[in-house]
Amino acid sequence: DIVLTQAPLSVSVTPGESASISCRSSKSLLSSKGITSLYWYLQKPGKSPQLLIYRMSNLASGVPDRFSGSGSETDFTLKISKVETEDVGVYYCAQFLEYPFTFGSGTKLEIK
Amino acid sequence: EVQLKESGPGLVQPSQTLSLTCTVSGFSLTDYSVHWVRQPPGKGLEWMGVMWSGGSTAYNSALKSRLSISRDTSKSQVFLKMNSLQTEDTAIYYCTRDTAYWGQGTLVTVSS
Repeated sequence: DIVLTQAPLSVSVTPGESASISCRSSKSLLSSKGITSLYWYLQKPGKSPQLLIYRMSNLASGVPDRFSGSGSETDFTLKISKVETEDVGVYYCAQFLEYPFTFGSGTKLEIK
Repeated sequence: EVQLKESGPGLVQPSQTLSLTCTVSGFSLTDYSVHWVRQPPGKGLEWMGVMWSGGSTAYNSALKSRLSISRDTSKSQVFLKMNSLQTEDTAIYYCTRDTAYWGQGTLVTVSS
């Protein structure tokens, strides 16, 4: 199985500052079609997960452009610029390249 | 508007079978995939399996021997069945369309 390792486990951010979350894959997530199958989700407290970024760097519909995704074949970063209080929750990366699809263990974002 | 809603028993006895239904609206099951994802209380997300738009399925190998996913396109429903439940199967169970749209989740507790 592909293992996704997220860092840090938690991050505390002052509103208006930026935050970055790392996700490292045990295997390249670049498909033969040239698509990098890495996704980012935010799960706000008590809510279902919501898609933020698909295929490494594409912003999902309705997601503020304060969120951005980047990376290589195995190392990925979610950046949140100008963090707002509504960004609190647990962030997960996930891969949909190979069965079984897998999630990272999550990074909790808190507001200072 | 795309909507998904999980339904099923909130309590299941150990060794029994779990049956859940995901009722969808706003799209056709023959056009989009539906995944099942679960989350034990206070823990991370686990991909369970998928019903692809063409009718094929794929399962997490860790659950494959116990898990079955099927659908009724005429009723816009996707079904999950998992047997031999144990306490560690206690979780919130989500269905999600392409992971872009999520149901509210349903809590299943395995206990005698």
